[in-house]
Amino acid sequence: QTVVTQEPSLTVSPGGTVTLTCASSSGAVTSGYYPNWFQQKPGQAPRSLLYNTDTKYSWTPARFSGSLLGGKAVLTLSDVTPEDEAEYFCLLYFGGVELGWVFGGGTKLTVL
Amino acid sequence: HITLKESGPTVVKPTQTLTLTCTVSGFSLNDNGVGVGWIRQPPGKALEWLAFVYWDGDKRYSPSLRSRLTITRDNPKNQVVLTMTNMDPVDTATYYCAHRTLFDSSGYPGGLDYWGQGTLATVSS
Repeated sequence: QTVVTQEPSLTVSPGGTVTLTCASSSGAVTSGYYPNWFQQKPGQAPRSLLYNTDTKYSWTPARFSGSLLGGKAVLTLSDVTPEDEAEYFCLLYFGGVELGWVFGGGTKLTVL
Repeated sequence: HITLKESGPTVVKPTQTLTLTCTVSGFSLNDNGVGVGWIRQPPGKALEWLAFVYWDGDKRYSPSLRSRLTITRDNPKNQVVLTMTNMDPVDTATYYCAHRTLFDSSGYPGGLDYWGQGTLATVSS
């Protein structure tokens, strides 16, 4: 079974930049996996941030960006603020009826 | 504006069937390219995609849970229903429904853009 892996936790200082990655046990993540990123704060529903690797929604702050690097999907947060402290999940599309959509295990981001 | 709201029992017994309803507004389940999906999250754990149903009736299921899931839609009621059979305590989770557009305005696959608030279903005898 395909596993999507994220860093369990990361810490960043306010004003800093942090990168979160999303890897697949089945090989390199490409644009064909249409990576999505979500932010979830305690007690809240997930909030969509990015889709199709790097496409932002109208509500996505400019400091969030997406890319592919080193065979992984990457979420970069720039000029981090305390309100960015949350858990972040990636979602990959594996296509067809075999695997469908698979979420990563999530990254708990602490702003300290 | 698009909203989704989940409803269902808060407690189900082991071996019972869970039936969840997602009531949507701000769009029609018949709108071209629209899909509604179900995702769950056990307490303190990661999200897990369960199923999608699309405007054209196409249905997709998580391979690991396909045998237990059925997703249906009631267009006049603007509702999408998910049933999960043979519930077990490990199925205790918050269940979310979410809106998806198959393709965005640029022709690229859309994401899970709008989410409901979720409903917690606990499996316990």
